[in-house]
Amino acid sequence: DAKTTQPTSMDCAEGRAANLPCNHSTISGNEYVYWYRQIHSQGPQYIIHGLKNNETNEMASLIITEDRKSSTLILPHATLRDTAVYYCIVRVPAGANSKLTFGKGITLSVRP
Amino acid sequence: KAGVTQTPRYLIKTRGQQVTLSCSPISGHRSVSWYQQTPGQGLQFLFEYFSETQRNKGNFPGRFSGRQFSNSRSEMNVSTLELGDSALYLCASSFTTAVNYGYTFGSGTRLTVV
Repeated sequence: DAKTTQPTSMDCAEGRAANLPCNHSTISGNEYVYWYRQIHSQGPQYIIHGLKNNETNEMASLIITEDRKSSTLILPHATLRDTAVYYCIVRVPAGANSKLTFGKGITLSVRP
Repeated sequence: KAGVTQTPRYLIKTRGQQVTLSCSPISGHRSVSWYQQTPGQGLQFLFEYFSETQRNKGNFPGRFSGRQFSNSRSEMNVSTLELGDSALYLCASSFTTAVNYGYTFGSGTRLTVV
């Protein structure tokens, strides 16, 4: 079972920041937070991951709360091409339970 | 560099038949995972292979099997197909199974069982 909770959907205006929340209140100390997205009819795409520090790459920023029970993925300037289902996943580093377990994700709709 | 390649892209099979799907990972990647995606159940993990050994297995019946070859290419097989096996089958590869490496997914094989 997925260990994360996300809203079903949200939308934002093109050019504005999209802030996608995720709750992972039962996360354990060695679990990382990953974000993937899936654009219609394509395979999921890796976005970013983190343990406890905030992370940023060319695609997005990941803000993890100090207690690690929730996080927010930030797309700083959303475009129409960012319309997709976004999955927040917690994952242990390696071993038998290191698989990616996808929940239902959040559908982000970027409007013109 | 080339991405994860899955063949075929589309497949139609009849109930009771078997099917083999192929996945070629990114060059240098040694981990290959398989997922099933359906509208009702979403993305579900099937199994993961690393250096020809199955590392993880999801909760699927024994009709679903896989293997990985020495060149890291992987195949999955579904025997005695059922209508409910109709799905998008996705393959993902990674350099290792360690946390600092994300998985790269292929575009999938769309299987329809009639």
